[in-house]
Amino acid sequence: DAGVTQSPTHLIKTRGQQVTLRCSPKSGHDTVSWYQQALGQGPQFIFQYYEEEERQRGNFPDRFSGHQFPNYSSELNVNALLLGDSALYLCASRVFNSPLHFGNGTRLTVT
Amino acid sequence: GESVGLHLPTLSVQEGDNSIINCAYSNSASDYFIWYKQESGKGPQFIIDIRSNMDKRQGQRVTVLLNKTVKHLSLQIAATQPGDSAVYFCAELKGTQSGGSYIPTFGRGTSLIVHP
Repeated sequence: DAGVTQSPTHLIKTRGQQVTLRCSPKSGHDTVSWYQQALGQGPQFIFQYYEEEERQRGNFPDRFSGHQFPNYSSELNVNALLLGDSALYLCASRVFNSPLHFGNGTRLTVT
Repeated sequence: GESVGLHLPTLSVQEGDNSIINCAYSNSASDYFIWYKQESGKGPQFIIDIRSNMDKRQGQRVTVLLNKTVKHLSLQIAATQPGDSAVYFCAELKGTQSGGSYIPTFGRGTSLIVHP
């Protein structure tokens, strides 16, 4: 039974570019969340998707957007990349209020 | 504002010792807490959780204690092993006004280093 899978594992982008990160939830999970983890910090909540809609959102600008597909997989899009967007982006899935299951993340470097 | 924090950023122990990782929280409305372990190059992994109507919960080699009076959470690891070396995060969860699922707020984390 595969857990949460994310792609790509590493990514290098230039300031001003756009990036799309992908996530497949753990089998049986219908809720997907995205987190940003800066080096030496805890994960910061970006948003959560359920039934293909954004249900909750953290304190992130509109440059961060997402999508959930009918098969529960999800994408995170970041526009107009800034150097400060360099971080590990974690996807997590769950069923309602069960504990989150995290993927191993996508390491984004913005130069 | 409300926050979740850890008292010690780094904890070094000898293999076989017991480890105690502490966490302070400030939101008295939080009613669910989770400890996660994050190994290098991996995502956080669920260890154990506890609800606010409990003050202790035990798992395999781990125990979580919750003291609501002083808003303090601790994770105890018995007979610490080199494989326990990782960053440990506590997360507090609170419900949303819309009644949606709980969103965890993570602290900065404590790095546990186990020396053989």
